[in-house]
Amino acid sequence: AQSVAQPEDQVNVAEGNPLTVKCTYSVSGNPYLFWYVQYPNRGLQFLLKYITGDNLVKGSYGFEAEFNKSQTSFHLKKPSALVSDSALYFCAVRDIGRGAGKSTFGDGTTLTVKP
Amino acid sequence: DAGVIQSPRHEVTEMGQEVTLRCKPISGHDYLFWYRQTMMRGLELLIYFNNNVPIDDSGMPEDRFSAKMPNASFSTLKIQPSEPRDSAVYFCASSPFSGLGTEAFFGQGTRLTVV
Repeated sequence: AQSVAQPEDQVNVAEGNPLTVKCTYSVSGNPYLFWYVQYPNRGLQFLLKYITGDNLVKGSYGFEAEFNKSQTSFHLKKPSALVSDSALYFCAVRDIGRGAGKSTFGDGTTLTVKP
Repeated sequence: DAGVIQSPRHEVTEMGQEVTLRCKPISGHDYLFWYRQTMMRGLELLIYFNNNVPIDDSGMPEDRFSAKMPNASFSTLKIQPSEPRDSAVYFCASSPFSGLGTEAFFGQGTRLTVV
């Protein structure tokens, strides 16, 4: 079975400070990992993904994430937070070994960036 | 492309009534997913289709829920009879088959309220 954990329900940072949203995963094989963002009253939007290769992945809006296989983590980061980054963030995993298109999402982390 | 289109955006219905949610995926996408989002349970995968064929419906909560995909450009999620605990935001998402490392594209959701 595949699973994702986002250990923090809420992350608060000041504008201009670096931010980290944590994600750990569990799969039986090699993972495909995704981050999505959800703004109020909107659907989820794709931010970035790790498939293979470089462990540091860069995505939309200045976000990046680091894949760490030994720690089974895929934390989302941004060097300098903006108030407009405030939203709900979801980590998702897809197990390559499953041979199917099903992804498992974490419970989400609410990011609040204060001016 | 206009993206994944869901209708209606909002639905208020009385307990016991039949509710039908509709989804038009992005043209050319092979996978279609139905999710439900609530505060209590987060984002849950209900069912997904590959090339119009249901692959995994293990997330469908009860027999009151059914989903169909009669063709590549249309899917429905039906609840009959509806109950207040079905109140949630229902998302449809689609993705192309370019390997399993392809992200999903979400619609804006249907907010269902059962009174």
